[in-house]
Amino acid sequence: DGGITQSPKYLFRKEGQNVTLSCEQNLNHDAMYWYRQDPGQGLRLIYYSQIVNDFQKGDIAEGYSVSREKKESFPLTVTSAQKNPTAFYLCASSMGRDRGPSNEKLFFGSGTQLSVL
Amino acid sequence: QKEVEQNSGPLSVPEGAIASLNCTYSDRGSQSFFWYRQYSGKSPELIMFIYSNGDKEDGRFTAQLNKASQYVSLLIRDSQPSDSATYLCAVVSSGTYKYIFGTGTRLKVLA
Repeated sequence: DGGITQSPKYLFRKEGQNVTLSCEQNLNHDAMYWYRQDPGQGLRLIYYSQIVNDFQKGDIAEGYSVSREKKESFPLTVTSAQKNPTAFYLCASSMGRDRGPSNEKLFFGSGTQLSVL
Repeated sequence: QKEVEQNSGPLSVPEGAIASLNCTYSDRGSQSFFWYRQYSGKSPELIMFIYSNGDKEDGRFTAQLNKASQYVSLLIRDSQPSDSATYLCAVVSSGTYKYIFGTGTRLKVLA
């Protein structure tokens, strides 16, 4: 089955620790995104990538880092510099730019709930 | 001004009624508009997308777009308790291909 796989489903971070959230897709999508969702809030964009080996900061990139070494993978590292990391993290993908508006649909993984110990 | 605005709700409707959810956006050049449904603790799932002015129907769902007034709405006919969820409006920002999400409207369908 094609889709987006996020792991782990739950993650706990100790103070001063970096943690990495995994996101893998087999949809052959060019674009991938990371969002953060706080309780009762909408989705805020952390980083996005339109193509392999290239990514851009979103609205709340401070304290996070990403890499895009493979088309199917877009891991997110929550660094110790992120002082309030507790949130629901969502990875998404789409076919990418210049594919026409009907191909701009975002497909989401099942999410990772990150909490601080 | 927020880029995408939605009333947070909750919007309560009786079972079988029409639920009307609204969204306004600030970027006049926005080109694509999406409605996602999100159950508590789950990830969003796409319900409807629209990019031309007018109405688009899919089953019990109708999306309406008015670019001149910069609003997009979602109508849910014959609402069911299983429709109870948060509905997120998303707009693709012109030129950047960034998706801007509203904070969502919580819908409660009362049996």
